[in-house]
Amino acid sequence: QLQLQESGPGLVKPSETLSLTCTVSGGSISSSSYYWGWIRQPPGKGLEWIGSIYYSGSTYYNPSLKSRVTISVDTSKNQFSLKLSSVTAADTAVYYCARSEERITMIVVPGPFDYWGQGTLVTVSS
Amino acid sequence: DIQMTQSPSTLSASVGDRVTITCRASQSISSWLAWYQQKPGKAPKLLIYKASSLESGVPSRFSGSGSGTEFTLTISSLQPDDFATYYCQQYNFIGYTFGQGTKLEIK
Repeated sequence: QLQLQESGPGLVKPSETLSLTCTVSGGSISSSSYYWGWIRQPPGKGLEWIGSIYYSGSTYYNPSLKSRVTISVDTSKNQFSLKLSSVTAADTAVYYCARSEERITMIVVPGPFDYWGQGTLVTVSS
Repeated sequence: DIQMTQSPSTLSASVGDRVTITCRASQSISSWLAWYQQKPGKAPKLLIYKASSLESGVPSRFSGSGSGTEFTLTISSLQPDDFATYYCQQYNFIGYTFGQGTKLEIK
């Protein structure tokens, strides 16, 4: 059974960089059929897609966050990571990592999210 | 950005009721729409993908329909476990977006 687990600091200071890691177990992150993504949810609010990465390192980012986001993959550790720079209180949220099957059109893009981590709350505060 | 608008925002219903939630996209997304169920303190769970395909393991009382800009999620006979918040998500255009959610409450 595939499992995803987020880890990282629960508190980040304003203007600093938020860093989270998602460890995948029960399956290989190197599989050619899947994207690995990050989604966040501010307390009491809705879901926001942050971005997704293919095992090869190809990435897609939410245009509204693109200037501050980096997603990377470490296939040797079966992990992928999120870095969000210059954080403010508006970045306080539960951050989820998730898997999506690839969707093949003229290019290969992520599909819907079928496996999710439990989520980790990151608070931005001094 | 593609805007996804769900209605209603809150829905009160009873066990056994048939309920329908609507999701409208600001432009056509073909059938590239998913529905999720989220319970408090838990991650979302994929119910429906490609507008009408039931995810493995999801009860058959859940169904989805629609294409283009208008989509619906129907629960044919509400069970106690179904009271939760439901989200739609478009995955046609990068910059994937979710609806604001529909909270399904017990009447």
